[in-house]
Amino acid sequence: AQSVTQLGSHVSVSEGALVLLRCNYSSSVPPYLFWYVQYPNQGLQLLLKYTSAATLVKGINGFEAEFKKSETSFHLTKPSAHMSDAAEYFCAVSVYNNDMRFGAGTRLTVKP
Amino acid sequence: DTGVSQDPRHKITKRGQNVTFRCDPISEHNRLYWYRQTLGQGPEFLTYFQNEAQLEKSRLLSDRFSAERPKGSFSTLEIQRTEQGDSAMYLCASSPADGNEQFFGPGTRLTVL
Repeated sequence: AQSVTQLGSHVSVSEGALVLLRCNYSSSVPPYLFWYVQYPNQGLQLLLKYTSAATLVKGINGFEAEFKKSETSFHLTKPSAHMSDAAEYFCAVSVYNNDMRFGAGTRLTVKP
Repeated sequence: DTGVSQDPRHKITKRGQNVTFRCDPISEHNRLYWYRQTLGQGPEFLTYFQNEAQLEKSRLLSDRFSAERPKGSFSTLEIQRTEQGDSAMYLCASSPADGNEQFFGPGTRLTVL
């Protein structure tokens, strides 16, 4: 079965600094990969998705992620953190559009 | 707003009581998913429907849990004889049949006392 592992349950950056949230996946078939963001007491909002087209995927709010098959990774980056980026971020994998398997999440803190 | 909606947003109940949650998906989406999210964890898949057919159920879905989607539109998730371990956020998501992105509702937070 497919799975993802998010490295680092908590990441703290200064405002304006690079954001890097790490995600590694495991799948026996070509996967679809996603990054979602969750604000307190809210549902999940899609940031971006990889669906076997371009390996560099651009999403909303200035985020992007690169699919690296050789490293089985799909890390999320943003060049310059903003205070409003503070939230919980989840990496997820699915195959054949069935159930989505999520990582444990990474809480991003942005310091002024 | 035509996104996924869930009702209620919060539910507090006593152990042993039954609870039912409702999810209204995006109207043209024929796939509907239920997830459970406990504190500090990512969502865990519970079950999914394509139209009114329940196609997959997780082992997490014990016999106290039942989900329905009788007309292929809204869905309900019922938990019988609730236990404190059922306290969690229950998330619903929907997607079109030919899509790979799931759209999530705001969730129902259940607290079992």
